[in-house]
Amino acid sequence: AQSVSQHNHHVILSEAASLELGCNYSYGGTVNLFWYVQYPGQHLQLLLKYFSGDPLVKGIKGFEAEFIKSKFSFNLRKPSVQWSDTAEYFCAVNAGAGNKLTFGGGTRVLVKP
Amino acid sequence: GAVVSQHPSRVICKSGTSVKIECRSLDFQATTMFWYRQFPKQSLMLMATSNEGSKATYEQGVEKDKFLINHASLTLSTLTVTSAHPEDSSFYICSANQGETQYFGPGTRLLVL
Repeated sequence: AQSVSQHNHHVILSEAASLELGCNYSYGGTVNLFWYVQYPGQHLQLLLKYFSGDPLVKGIKGFEAEFIKSKFSFNLRKPSVQWSDTAEYFCAVNAGAGNKLTFGGGTRVLVKP
Repeated sequence: GAVVSQHPSRVICKSGTSVKIECRSLDFQATTMFWYRQFPKQSLMLMATSNEGSKATYEQGVEKDKFLINHASLTLSTLTVTSAHPEDSSFYICSANQGETQYFGPGTRLLVL
């Protein structure tokens, strides 16, 4: 069965710092990859997704992610975070039929003003 | 576009009663919707895949007689928690597929007394 790992459970950083969240998955075939964000009290929103093509994907709010197939990774980055980026971030993988998503455990990010 | 709503947003019920949660895709049609459960400070756990016009597909360990799913139209799926007990208290989230991307509803917080 496929699995998704997010190595950092909690990240605390100051405004303007750079952010990188790790995501690794275990599945050898073709995958679709997603990052979702859940702001406090809100529902999950799609940040970005990768299906094929350029492995460097740009999403909303200045986020980007890089798919490295050889490392089974899809890390999320933002060069300069803002206080409003405080949220929980989930990596998710869709592999195989049925469009079912497997989620990572989530990373809580706290940005100090 | 790709907006998913859920109703109610929160519900409190007595043990032994049944609760129905609705999930609607507001601006697109979805042949497939998904139901998740999210425990506090944890990731999303897929409960079942709701297929329009056919039976839902349940994940291992999820009781289909406990969590009844009906997907009667291309914009509506319902989850009924039957004979609810305190251990069913949780945050239930639905999503709907547009292409290969899932869009999430705001969730329903269920508290069973």
